[in-house]
Amino acid sequence: SQTIHQWPATLVQPVGSPLSLECTVEGTSNPNLYWYRQAAGRGLQLLFYSVGIGQISSEVPQNLSASRPQDRQFILSSKKLLLSDSGFYLCAWSVGSAENIQYFGAGTRLSVL
Amino acid sequence: GQQVMQIPQYQHVQEGEDFTTYCNSSTTLSNIQWYKQRPGGHPVFLIQLVKSGEVKKQKRLTFQFGEAKKNSSLHITATQTTDVGTYFCAGPFRDSGAGSYQLTFGKGTKLSVIP
Repeated sequence: SQTIHQWPATLVQPVGSPLSLECTVEGTSNPNLYWYRQAAGRGLQLLFYSVGIGQISSEVPQNLSASRPQDRQFILSSKKLLLSDSGFYLCAWSVGSAENIQYFGAGTRLSVL
Repeated sequence: GQQVMQIPQYQHVQEGEDFTTYCNSSTTLSNIQWYKQRPGGHPVFLIQLVKSGEVKKQKRLTFQFGEAKKNSSLHITATQTTDVGTYFCAGPFRDSGAGSYQLTFGKGTKLSVIP
C-alpha cells in the first residue's frame, strides 16, 4: 500500500535561518507531489506541485522553493525564513491526472520566532 | 480569485443536531471531492462524486452533487463529537499557466459540536 512520510512533525526556527522539509512517498511510481501551507484556522494554500523529477510549478511567489531530486521525494526549502513563513506545511500526492484524489502527509508545524 | 466557495465558514451545533456545508463552483466540474481535517491533523479524503445529481452516503454523512455539477453539499445527521473538524470540498480547475487541471480546495467549514 502507499504511504507518505513527512518530517519533522514540528519545527521552531529563528528568523533568517534556512529551512528544509522533506516528504517521501512509498508504494507508487511517478506520483504528482504537492506542498501546501495552512495558516492557523485557515484553508489550504497550494505552494508548489510537481508532475515529475525536476519539474516544479510554483503557485505563489514567496520566500520558499521546492525541489524533486528523486521520483518520490519532494523538498521544501528556504534560504532565510521570515515570520510570515510560520504555518502548517502539508505534503500530498496523487497519481494520474492532477485532478485526482490527493493523499496528505501528517504535516510539519513550523514556528518562526 | 476564489473558484470554490464554501459556506458557512464556521458552524457550532449541539450534539445530536444536523449539520450541512455547501460548496459552490464558478464553473462546471468533472468531479467534486470532500475531505475532513480533524483538529491538529491533516486532510483525509472522504468521497468523490462524479455524476450529475449523484448522492452518496457514508453512515450519517450524505454527499450530493448538483444537477448542473456546479455545487455540492455534505449533510451530517445527528452530529457526534467525533464529527468535529474542518470539512473541505475540492474540484478540478484549469491551471491557466500550465494548461492542465489542478485540484482546488475551498476554504473549508469548521464544525464544532457542543456535547
